[in-house]
Amino acid sequence: DAGVIQSPRHEVTEMGQEVTLRCKPISGHDYLFWYRQTMMRGLELLIYFNNNVPIDDSGMPEDRFSAKMPNASFSTLKIQPSEPRDSAVYFCASSLAQGISSYEQYFGPGTRLTVT
Amino acid sequence: GQQLNQSPQSMFIQEGEDVSMNCTSSSIFNTWLWYKQDPGEGPVLLIALYKAGELTSNGRLTAQFGITRKDSFLNISASIPSDVGIYFCAGPNNNAGNMLTFGGGTRLMVKP
Repeated sequence: DAGVIQSPRHEVTEMGQEVTLRCKPISGHDYLFWYRQTMMRGLELLIYFNNNVPIDDSGMPEDRFSAKMPNASFSTLKIQPSEPRDSAVYFCASSLAQGISSYEQYFGPGTRLTVT
Repeated sequence: GQQLNQSPQSMFIQEGEDVSMNCTSSSIFNTWLWYKQDPGEGPVLLIALYKAGELTSNGRLTAQFGITRKDSFLNISASIPSDVGIYFCAGPNNNAGNMLTFGGGTRLMVKP
């Protein structure tokens, strides 16, 4: 079975440009999570969805960040306008909603974003 | 909020040695998860623990759910170079849904 798929794997952009990161969760998973990882702050949860509905976006840094999940198999994280401090690795993860294994999150390979 | 403290922060060992690392919290967790992150990749789930005192193995890896439910341990036996990476512990954020709290990670380096 395919795992969580993210694209692009690497993105280099200039400050002020719009950046869109994409994620396809594992088929059948009900939860989708967006994380950001930096050396300074480690792994931070930005937002998560349950059945395509955003549940908690308290980790989203500011209004420049937005996330959508138009259907069960696709989500986007958009940064507009991007700034150098947004440079990080962004991960998408998914999990099942029910059962003892509902906390087991499965991560994608990440998108390494560099904003110059 | 909940915090998970991992120790050591980093380890540099010789190939073939056994490795032990732990994760502690000031609050109780009902589930413990251990992940490994290879350089340039996403975290991969290694072991999940659901019961206090539980001991679970995955190949050369063994993890234990502490009796107090405030700690967990991960051991790697006979380390090999591909064990290199960052090991994270995680547990449910009891305040919210299916969110996880992650530890800061233990960086393992193995000398051939």
